[in-house]
Amino acid sequence: DTGVSQNPRHKITKRGQNVTFRCDPISEHNRLYWYRQTLGQGPEFLTYFQNEAQLEKSRLLSDRFSAERPKGSFSTLEIQRTEQGDSAMYLCANQDLYNEQFFGPGTRLTVL
Amino acid sequence: AQSVTQPDIHITVSEGASLELRCNYSYGATPYLFWYVQSPGQGLQLLLKYFSGDTLVQGIKGFEAEFKRSQSSFNLRKPSVHWSDAAEYFCAVGARNTDKLIFGTGTRLQVFP
Repeated sequence: DTGVSQNPRHKITKRGQNVTFRCDPISEHNRLYWYRQTLGQGPEFLTYFQNEAQLEKSRLLSDRFSAERPKGSFSTLEIQRTEQGDSAMYLCANQDLYNEQFFGPGTRLTVL
Repeated sequence: AQSVTQPDIHITVSEGASLELRCNYSYGATPYLFWYVQSPGQGLQLLLKYFSGDTLVQGIKGFEAEFKRSQSSFNLRKPSVHWSDAAEYFCAVGARNTDKLIFGTGTRLQVFP
């Protein structure tokens, strides 16, 4: 257990619906990252926060994706108008002072 | 562009045998390098990391990795594999400014008794 929790663990939705995932990091770590992992692939970087500021977004993050980290604590990742291609595992990671990233268990999204 | 290549998609070894998982990277400067392990239904767990200094790094669970700048490699090794080591292994390079990780496609390790 890395101390990073993600909810829900599984989400099944119909195409076109909106979904929101939550990540609760280890509280004292400032940087928080979101990655997406599709079957047979390594995780791909989506975005990251330094405290509450979102500092970089990947090209993978279309306009339908938005992420927030209010008050530099937990973070949410929302996908609007989901598509079947959005089906993946969404991973959250928290980075400590030694530049190590601790990953949560992920949220598996299935879009029907 | 930064990238990580893991040439072996799937490796099968017998329990007790030695193991080497290959990783090659492309990065414009000296990178941060990591190996993670992912078991089915589990999150990613950090095995070891290289930032600077001694090029042979020790990690958890008896794993070690060697950074070879001339070969742009960071191969993971274990002298004697246990059945519980069966999992997916990911090599990653970290960007020094943002620290975002770029992962390889992974190597699935299967261990036979």
